[in-house]
Amino acid sequence: KAGVTQTPRYLIKTRGQQVTLSCSPISGHRSVSWYQQTPGQGLQFLFEYFSETQRNKGNFPGRFSGRQFSNSRSEMNVSTLELGDSALYLCASSLGTSGRRVNEQFFGPGTRLTVL
Amino acid sequence: GQSLEQPSEVTAVEGAIVQINCTYQTSGFYGLSWYQQHDGGAPTFLSYNGLDGLEETGRFSSFLSRSDSYGYLLLQELQMKDSASYFCAVTIGSSYKLIFGSGTRLLVRP
Repeated sequence: KAGVTQTPRYLIKTRGQQVTLSCSPISGHRSVSWYQQTPGQGLQFLFEYFSETQRNKGNFPGRFSGRQFSNSRSEMNVSTLELGDSALYLCASSLGTSGRRVNEQFFGPGTRLTVL
Repeated sequence: GQSLEQPSEVTAVEGAIVQINCTYQTSGFYGLSWYQQHDGGAPTFLSYNGLDGLEETGRFSSFLSRSDSYGYLLLQELQMKDSASYFCAVTIGSSYKLIFGSGTRLLVRP
């Protein structure tokens, strides 16, 4: 079974630009979550989608948005990039149902975003 | 709000046992998970506790006490490859939002 894939793996942008990151979950997984990881802040929850609906949202500004398609693939978009957005963005998929299944998240390798 | 506390660093000797603690303050607590992340790698799931007690998976065990808002991860027969960061994560409410702690960096010495 193929794992979670994320594209691109590395990205360099300048302040003010926007970026779109893509995530393909494990086949059969309906839940996709996005996290921002920085050395100082650890893993910060951005949002979670389940069956094309945003089910949860973290405490990030509206510049961060996402969506999920009918095939469970997900994208996240960051507009008007700031220097502080430089981070590793991780996507994770899970079955999305109760108990252990929803908590056992499978992470992709991440997209390393650098904002200059 | 929600908060999780875990030690920032732990050092142990190969073959020993180490315990990584996690205390949390959350509303709508649903369960506690543990993840391992090697440098440059993605987090990988280790264990989940939805109920009080001990869960064992090979050399790793995880414990939860909901009344104490406390859990721990126990690693036995430490190996060099166990050197990594370990994150506890709480699931909030029935909507399954996952909040991670800041991570504990484990260094295993020969």
